[in-house]
Amino acid sequence: LAKTTQPISMDSYEGQEVNITCSHNNIATNDYITWYQQFPSQGPRFIIQGYKTKVTNEVASLFIPADRKSSTLSLPRVSLSDTAVYYCLVGMDSSYKLIFGSGTRLLVRP
Amino acid sequence: NAGVMQNPRHLVRRRGQEARLRCSPMKGHSHVYWYRQLPEEGLKFMVYLQKENIIDESGMPKERFSAEFPKEGPSILRIQQVVRGDSAAYFCASSSRDRGANTDTQYFGPGTRLTVL
Repeated sequence: LAKTTQPISMDSYEGQEVNITCSHNNIATNDYITWYQQFPSQGPRFIIQGYKTKVTNEVASLFIPADRKSSTLSLPRVSLSDTAVYYCLVGMDSSYKLIFGSGTRLLVRP
Repeated sequence: NAGVMQNPRHLVRRRGQEARLRCSPMKGHSHVYWYRQLPEEGLKFMVYLQKENIIDESGMPKERFSAEFPKEGPSILRIQQVVRGDSAAYFCASSSRDRGANTDTQYFGPGTRLTVL
């Protein structure tokens, strides 16, 4: 399973766009990129998943360059309630053993 | 909204006692996963179960820990003779592992916070 590297923490203000980049230099051909969000005292919540180029849903966008060695989670116009830890995971679509790193702690200030 | 249910949410045990953590998967899901999270760390995989079968328990300590997912009822993670180092948040996730889908998303419960005194 590919190892991922993310910033430990990020600060932002309400209304701003936040981009969290994840490095995964050893990503394999069959690997997907998945992002989870975790609030304090709660379980992780699936945000978005992609394989290449761009994926967008009602919550976020995921940008994946052609070499797939990194990916960027984009949160448009964050609010205070987006303060959470964001995890980038890389693995095969059939892999059930999710590997969570330390994640990125996002703090959104008023 | 029948999401993944876990109970109890908080559990306090003294050293040497047993802890039983329960997990009811989402409706329609027959695959259950247990993870452990220590403070300030990411989740660590423990075990993967299907109904009446343990598929992968490679992340679970060999001693004192066991898991089951019976034909009827919730999945149970059991920790015997708990020690202080077992204090953590234990999360259960479930999925449908639909063969027709490209990916398989795990949906997590709220967790059980175990404190060993």
